[in-house]
Amino acid sequence: NAGVMQNPRHLVRRRGQEARLRCSPMKGHSHVYWYRQLPEEGLKFMVYLQKENIIDESGMPKERFSAEFPKEGPSILRIQQVVRGDSAAYFCASLSGDRAYEQYFGPGTRLTVT
Amino acid sequence: RKEVEQDPGPFNVPEGATVAFNCTYSNSASQSFFWYRQDCRKEPKLLMSVYSSGNEDGRFTAQLNRASQYISLLIRDSKLSDSATYLCVVTSNFGNEKLTFGTGTRLTIIP
Repeated sequence: NAGVMQNPRHLVRRRGQEARLRCSPMKGHSHVYWYRQLPEEGLKFMVYLQKENIIDESGMPKERFSAEFPKEGPSILRIQQVVRGDSAAYFCASLSGDRAYEQYFGPGTRLTVT
Repeated sequence: RKEVEQDPGPFNVPEGATVAFNCTYSNSASQSFFWYRQDCRKEPKLLMSVYSSGNEDGRFTAQLNRASQYISLLIRDSKLSDSATYLCVVTSNFGNEKLTFGTGTRLTIIP
């Protein structure tokens, strides 16, 4: 049973470019959470999605960031016009919905903005 | 005030010693409680859930005090492989299990 998968593992973007981060939840899991970890800081919740629905995006910056979890395919976190402050590790986590409280994390995508 | 507060450490502890971490949370409506561990530049991994009755998993014991809004983790007979950052984590809402993390306590086990 494959775990949560994220790609790419490392992503380098120049200021002003777009970054697309992908997350495939564990098989059978229909809930995805995205978290961001800035250098030397704790993880912070960004957005919670179920298939085709954004449930809670209260942790997302108001501009440049968007997320989706389509019926088919991985969840995507999209950052437009990246700035240096977006450099961070982005983790996604999934849970099944029936064992609602145990979240399993993917290996993360380390975004570096130059 | 942070929602989840932990002593950042670092804790440098000799192998075989017992070490205890504490955590407090500010939201009295918090529902679920966990300890995660995070190795350097890796993803957080669930160590254990925490219940009011206390729970034990091998060398690890976790305790929750809802009245004091306090969570603890005890590691007995520490091993070199226990070196990591330990994250205290809570959730607040049924139906939305977004995790609120403490900043973590760094532990180094010294041979």
